Amino acid sequence: AQKVTQAQTEISVVEKEDVTLDCVYETRDTTYYLFWYKQPPSGELVFLIRRNSFDEQNEISGRYSWNFQKSTSSFNFTITASQVVDSAVYFCALSLTTSGTYKYIFGTGTRLKVLA
Amino acid sequence: DTAVSQTPKYLVTQMGNDKSIKCEQNLGHDTMYWYKQDSKKFLKIMFSYNNKELIINETVPNRFSPKSPDKAHLNLHINSLELGDSAVYFCASSLGLGGGGTQYFGPGTRLLVL
Repeated sequence: AQKVTQAQTEISVVEKEDVTLDCVYETRDTTYYLFWYKQPPSGELVFLIRRNSFDEQNEISGRYSWNFQKSTSSFNFTITASQVVDSAVYFCALSLTTSGTYKYIFGTGTRLKVLA
Repeated sequence: DTAVSQTPKYLVTQMGNDKSIKCEQNLGHDTMYWYKQDSKKFLKIMFSYNNKELIINETVPNRFSPKSPDKAHLNLHINSLELGDSAVYFCASSLGLGGGGTQYFGPGTRLLVL
């Protein structure tokens, strides 16, 4: 069975601190895709990154960075020098095609509060 | 020039009523989705259409019926609304079938059943 676990329900940090959001996934498929989405208090879901299972290269985009490690089935997200505007719920998601069936599985989300 | 739009944004209705939510995308995508997000923020896929063909139909009460008149539209009709249907419903679209397509989400429709 496929699963995405975001064990951190809520994290609070003070502005300018670095914070890492954990994501652990489960699948036996060799081809899959991992995503991170941000849901700010306004409610919309904003795409942040997509990574396929064959690309373990880490990625950095401004203050955001992602660490994909197949050995530990993890796709962690780090925000450097956090800002109040980073306060949101962050979702990790897994998508794959298995036995002709399409699966899209979201984690339960991590609520990040950045305090001024 | 909104990419994925949903109407209405808010929907307050009485139990037992029938209601529809509309979704349109102008991204040229061929796959569209409906998700339900409950009060605890859990996001769960309900349906997906690719080129007007139903490809994902998760365990959802048959009071929920999606309809895709064309690739750019996916509507959700809900019959005999129940209190438990109160949630935020998100429409999304992607290019391509299968896991590789990045999904772009609409703003959500907040449904409250009284």
